[in-house]
Amino acid sequence: DGGITQSPKYLFRKEGQNVTLSCEQNLNHDAMYWYRQDPGQGLRLIYYSQIVNDFQKGDIAEGYSVSREKKESFPLTVTSAQKNPTAFYLCASSIQEYTGELFFGEGSRLTVL
Amino acid sequence: SQQGEEDPQALSIQEGENATMNCSYKTSINNLQWYRQNSGRGLVHLILIRSNEREKHSGRLRVTLDTSKKSSSLLITASRAADTASYFCATGLRTGGYNKLIFGAGTRLAVHP
Repeated sequence: DGGITQSPKYLFRKEGQNVTLSCEQNLNHDAMYWYRQDPGQGLRLIYYSQIVNDFQKGDIAEGYSVSREKKESFPLTVTSAQKNPTAFYLCASSIQEYTGELFFGEGSRLTVL
Repeated sequence: SQQGEEDPQALSIQEGENATMNCSYKTSINNLQWYRQNSGRGLVHLILIRSNEREKHSGRLRVTLDTSKKSSSLLITASRAADTASYFCATGLRTGGYNKLIFGAGTRLAVHP
């Protein structure tokens, strides 16, 4: 089955630690995205990538970093510089940048202790 | 209001009733999409309507788009308990030379057996 796999589903982090969330897709999509979702709010774009080795900041990129070394993979690192990292993180992909529907993973819930 | 704002924020109905959710936006769009999210899960794409379309159907879903009023509605007919979820509209637009997809805060729908 084609789709997007995010891991881990739940992650706990101590303050001051960096953590990396994994996102893998086998849909052969060029574009990939990372969103943050807080309770009662919509999705906010962190980073997106149109092609391999290229990515752009979204609306709330501060304290986050990404890489796109392979078409299938778009990992997100939540750094210690992110002031309020506790949230639900969603990875998505599309055939091309925002030209149609987005396919989402099941999300990763990060809790800072 | 923000681009892509849903109304109502929450809706509670009985099985068999119809559910209507509305989305308003501020700027011109290329398309408008509706997504569904079950609690703690990723988003699932429901339907995309382009700016030159006025109505689309998919099973029990009916979406309308009124570009003169900058609004869209999602109608779920003959609702079922399994329709309980949050529903998000997302406006697709082009700004600053880039395509963007902006999500609203969602409508939480509860369908009671």
